[in-house]
Amino acid sequence: EIVLTQSPGALSLSPGERATLSCRASQTVISDYLTWYQQRPGQAPRLLIYGASRRATGIPDRFSGSGSGTDFTLTISRLEPEDFAVYYCQQYDTSTLTFGPGTKVDIK
Amino acid sequence: QVQLQESGPRLVEPSGTLSLTCAVSGDSIINTHYWSWVRQAPGNGLQWIGHIYLTGKTNYNPSLKSRVTITIDRSKNQFSLTLTSVTVADTAVYFCARMLVGAYSWFDPWGQGALVTVSA
Repeated sequence: EIVLTQSPGALSLSPGERATLSCRASQTVISDYLTWYQQRPGQAPRLLIYGASRRATGIPDRFSGSGSGTDFTLTISRLEPEDFAVYYCQQYDTSTLTFGPGTKVDIK
Repeated sequence: QVQLQESGPRLVEPSGTLSLTCAVSGDSIINTHYWSWVRQAPGNGLQWIGHIYLTGKTNYNPSLKSRVTITIDRSKNQFSLTLTSVTVADTAVYFCARMLVGAYSWFDPWGQGALVTVSA
């Protein structure tokens, strides 16, 4: 099973700042199958980035994803108030999949 | 617009069986998607439970495999989750979701989630 580790566990930033979130895998992940989600309190997760770097429909361009192999990054260029949430990476490997533990981005 | 809605008992006794159904609207369950269950214990992260393909083929999280069954009901356009021998550790919000697997893979959309509490 591929284990995903996210860092930092929590990030305190101010609106307008840049957020850089890391997702590291215990073994090589197929980039096409690396996905990022945003989850706000009391809500279901929301698809942000798929294929490591492709924004889902309706996702603002301040969100970007990058990386390959075992290291992936989600960047939020300028935090808006609605961006303070928990972010999860997820990988799919043929018949199983795993989520990272999440990074909480909260207001400083 | 595709929508998913979980339903089922919200309180289950320890050692009992948890059963949830996900009704799908706006899409046919026999399209080429996987239909999935994901759970989230209070204050914790997301855990994939398993998924079912339109053919009925299933894949389950190895840590839950011995207790999980996911089935599909094409006539009602819904799919279901059964989790046996539950304990308090199974208390969680259970989400159903459509999973696309092809050139890429993602969960979208998700149901709103159903909080199931395991308690006597």
